[in-house]
Amino acid sequence: NAGVMQNPRHLVRRRGQEARLRCSPMKGHSHVYWYRQLPEEGLKFMVYLQKENIIDESGMPKERFSAEFPKEGPSILRIQQVVRGDSAAYFCASSPRDVSDTQYFGPGTRLTVL
Amino acid sequence: QKEVEQDPGPLSVPEGAIVSLNCTYSNSAFQYFMWYRQYSRKGPELLMYTYSSGNKEDGRFTAQVDKSSKYISLFIRDSQPSDSATYLCAMSEGSTGTASKLTFGTGTRLQVTL
Repeated sequence: NAGVMQNPRHLVRRRGQEARLRCSPMKGHSHVYWYRQLPEEGLKFMVYLQKENIIDESGMPKERFSAEFPKEGPSILRIQQVVRGDSAAYFCASSPRDVSDTQYFGPGTRLTVL
Repeated sequence: QKEVEQDPGPLSVPEGAIVSLNCTYSNSAFQYFMWYRQYSRKGPELLMYTYSSGNKEDGRFTAQVDKSSKYISLFIRDSQPSDSATYLCAMSEGSTGTASKLTFGTGTRLQVTL
């Protein structure tokens, strides 16, 4: 059973460009969470989604960041007009349908903004 | 004040030692407690999950929760060089909905030496 998959693993963007990060949850998991890890800091919650629904986006910056989890396909975290401060590791986690307290993490996408 | 406090280390111990890792928290609404292990440039790996106060054992790992003191611990017996990693405590207020997002400590870096 494949784990949580994220791609790309590494992403380099110049300031002002868009970054798209993808996450495919574990088979049978319908809950997806996105977290950001800045250097020397712990993981910070960003957003929680179920299929076609945003459940909690209290950790998302108000501008430039958006997330979706369509009926078909992976969850997408989109960052528009990236700035150097967006450079971080972005992790996706998934959990089973009715047991949201056990979250399994993907390998992360490391975003570098030049 | 951070919701979850964790000593960043680094913590260096000889092979075979017993390791004690700790977190304190301020939010009395936290009900679920987890420990994750994260190797360098990898995603967090779920090690232990607990709900109630008390101890939970799994192999060489024991998780301890004291809700009255808002204090959780992870003990590693017979530590091995392969245990060298960053250990993250995480907690949530509930298992479903908006309460299921995880709040992390900053992580403790552990080095087990030969």
